[in-house]
Amino acid sequence: NAGVMQNPRHLVRRRGQEARLRCSPMKGHSHVYWYRQLPEEGLKFMVYLQKENIIDESGMPKERFSAEFPKEGPSILRIQQVVRGDSAAYFCASSLTGTGVEKLFFGSGTQLSVL
Amino acid sequence: RKEVEQDPGPFNVPEGATVAFNCTYSNSASQSFFWYRQDCRKEPKLLMSVYSSGNEDGRFTAQLNRASQYISLLIRDSKLSDSATYLCVVNNNAGNMLTFGGGTRLMVKP
Repeated sequence: NAGVMQNPRHLVRRRGQEARLRCSPMKGHSHVYWYRQLPEEGLKFMVYLQKENIIDESGMPKERFSAEFPKEGPSILRIQQVVRGDSAAYFCASSLTGTGVEKLFFGSGTQLSVL
Repeated sequence: RKEVEQDPGPFNVPEGATVAFNCTYSNSASQSFFWYRQDCRKEPKLLMSVYSSGNEDGRFTAQLNRASQYISLLIRDSKLSDSATYLCVVNNNAGNMLTFGGGTRLMVKP
């Protein structure tokens, strides 16, 4: 039973390029969360999605960032026109019911480096 | 005020020591509480859930004080392998996602 899978593990982009981060939740989980962790800081919530729906995007920057979780396939976090400040570890997590009262299972993260 | 606050540390302790971390949260309506552990550059992993009655798992004991809105984690007989960052986690207002504290870094020395 595979855990939460994220790819790529490391992603290098130049300023102005696009970054696409992928996350496949644990088998049977339909609730996906994206968190960002800047160097030497804690995890910051970005967005919570269910299949084909964005439930809570209160932590997403207003511009350049978007997320989706289609009916088929992984969840995608997309960052357009990346800037150096986007360099961070991006973690995806999934849960079974999404009620906030159960634990999250995290993927290994994608380390984004913007040159 | 941050939703979940922790002393960032680092806490430097010798092997075998007992160490305690506290965490405060701002939302009195929060209902679920956890401690996660994060090793350098890796994903957070659940250490234990925290219940009002307190709970223990081997050398680890977690306590919740709802009146004062704080959570504690006690580690007895520290091991070198306990060196990590410990994250206090609370569910948010809407209850549908978890808010992480900034973490407390623990370094256990020989």
